[in-house]
Amino acid sequence: DTGVSQDPRHKITKRGQNVTFRCDPISEHNRLYWYRQTLGQGPEFLTYFQNEAQLEKSRLLSDRFSAERPKGSFSTLEIQRTEQGDSAMYLCATGALGYNEQFFGPGTRLTVL
Amino acid sequence: AQSVTQLDSQVPVFEEAPVELRCNYSSSVSVYLFWYVQYPNQGLQLLLKYLSGSTLVESINGFEAEFNKSQTSFHLRKPSVHISDTAEYFCAVTLLSGGSYIPTFGRGTSLIVHP
Repeated sequence: DTGVSQDPRHKITKRGQNVTFRCDPISEHNRLYWYRQTLGQGPEFLTYFQNEAQLEKSRLLSDRFSAERPKGSFSTLEIQRTEQGDSAMYLCATGALGYNEQFFGPGTRLTVL
Repeated sequence: AQSVTQLDSQVPVFEEAPVELRCNYSSSVSVYLFWYVQYPNQGLQLLLKYLSGSTLVESINGFEAEFNKSQTSFHLRKPSVHISDTAEYFCAVTLLSGGSYIPTFGRGTSLIVHP
């Protein structure tokens, strides 16, 4: 399968714990995006990378959220001190430079108890 | 800040009837426009896009959308829907802002096709 993959697909955690999600892009894609999607809403942009550079991070929801893409390939999204309001689907999407369209992964569903 | 408005949260329609899913955006600068579709239990996938050129764009499965700059709209249409078109449809706009591409999605329209 050469699509975008995300791991884990589901994560249940207790409030206050840290969680980390991984996204593996389509191999030739330079851009990588993270979104949050809650029930009844469209994807909400969080941050994006072009290769290893994080070009936009002002939309991260709070300083508890951080993302990395150290070698310009896979990326991780970390949420520290999770809160119940963080429960949502977290989506990763990737795209080739200059093409604008995005290819989405299946998402990681986070439930914070 | 840009915004995307999908006016209908749900559109029920009978099979073989025409359908229009509405999308309006707020931006005074050039944007790229997209429709994504999410079938039940699947991830989002691109349906069609407008980057430049002809204002009417088409998908391989019979959908089309027309970019109307004066009305800042990008409505999605299909002349005859099938049961298999039942899905969630998202309109999206990408704005170039300060050298960064910021995508904004609408809240989605659920198309429900009845036999």
